[in-house]
Amino acid sequence: AQSVTQLGSHVSVSEGALVLLRCNYSSSVPPYLFWYVQYPNQGLQLLLKYTSAATLVKGINGFEAEFKKSETSFHLTKPSAHMSDAAEYFCAVSESWGKLQFGAGTQVVVTP
Amino acid sequence: EAGVTQSPTHLIKTRGQQATLRCSPISGHTSVYWYQQALGLGLQFLLWYDEGEERNRGNFPPRFSGRQFPNYSSELNVNALELEDSALYLCASSFSEGRTDTQYFGPGTRLTVL
Repeated sequence: AQSVTQLGSHVSVSEGALVLLRCNYSSSVPPYLFWYVQYPNQGLQLLLKYTSAATLVKGINGFEAEFKKSETSFHLTKPSAHMSDAAEYFCAVSESWGKLQFGAGTQVVVTP
Repeated sequence: EAGVTQSPTHLIKTRGQQATLRCSPISGHTSVYWYQQALGLGLQFLLWYDEGEERNRGNFPPRFSGRQFPNYSSELNVNALELEDSALYLCASSFSEGRTDTQYFGPGTRLTVL
């Protein structure tokens, strides 16, 4: 079975500072990994996904993530936080066709 | 292009009743997924439908069921509602191409069981 661990249920960053959200996975098959964002009272929006092409994946809104097989990690970063980045972020692994296994989520607070 | 739509936005039921939630996928998508997002439990996979058939099911009791119609829209039914069924129910859709499919999510239906 595959699983996803997100370190830190809450992260507070200053506006303009680096955003780093950690995600580690376990998988017995080559993983396909996703980052989604959920704004208050909304559904999930895809930020980016890794499907075994380039290990550095660029997504929307200035986010990117790097797949590191040796560390079983897929951390999400953004060089400079904006107030609009305040949301909950979910890392997910495609466990089998048709099923995403999500991490517990990380709530990001951006302070002025 | 219209995204995934869900109805109703909110639904209030009492324990023991039945709830029906509806989902319309993005045009061209044949797969529909249902997830439950309950407080403290995170996002849990419920069901996957593709081409009218149930393809995969999460670890939920049989009182959670659904179907997919010929136009690929879907319905989730929850029978004999329990208080712990209170949650946000998210529907997603995708093309049906494999594990790399991107699932696009709707805004969800907030189910409250009193």
